Amino acid sequence: AQSVTQLGSHVSVSEGALVLLRCNYSSSVPPYLFWYVQYPNQGLQLLLKYTTGATLVKGINGFEAEFKKSETSFHLTKPSAHMSDAAEYFCAVSDRSDKLIFGTGTRLQVFP
Amino acid sequence: SAVISQKPSRDICQRGTSLTIQCQVDSQVTMMFWYRQQPGQSLTLIATANQGSEATYESGFVIDKFPISRPNLTFSTLTVSNMSPEDSSIYLCSGTHSTDTQYFGPGTRLTVL
Repeated sequence: AQSVTQLGSHVSVSEGALVLLRCNYSSSVPPYLFWYVQYPNQGLQLLLKYTTGATLVKGINGFEAEFKKSETSFHLTKPSAHMSDAAEYFCAVSDRSDKLIFGTGTRLQVFP
Repeated sequence: SAVISQKPSRDICQRGTSLTIQCQVDSQVTMMFWYRQQPGQSLTLIATANQGSEATYESGFVIDKFPISRPNLTFSTLTVSNMSPEDSSIYLCSGTHSTDTQYFGPGTRLTVL
């Protein structure tokens, strides 16, 4: 069975500061890992995904994440936060089937 | 990629009534899913919508409460039956061409009074 833990339900950063959103997963098989973003009153948008190959994956809007098998982690980072990054971020895992298991989400606030 | 639309975008319903949510994809997708996002919480998978056959429901969800149809590869409906205030949630559909990317609709925000 798969599970996802997102540490920190709320993260606040200043504009221009580093963004780090944490995600740890549990999977009995090599996982597929995803980060989705949800802006207020909108659906989910795929930021990036890891399936196979290079463990550092780059996504849209300057975000990237690194798959670390030894740490069972897939943390999301962005070097410099922008006001428009304020949203809810969800980490998700699949066992390479079509079913996604979501974490509880992290709300990112960006202060000027 | 796939663009997914949902109708209605939001609704306010009375207790005991039913609401049918439509999900339309702009291209044929292999799989379609329905999720529930309760206020302030994450997404929970309700069921997999199977084309031409009964949906596959996750634990805690039953067909009588959430009947689902999928008549073709681009369209699905979810009905929330005999609603109670506990059904107030955002309902999202998603579709996938392959196992490594799911595309989501904008969601239907349901409030039950």
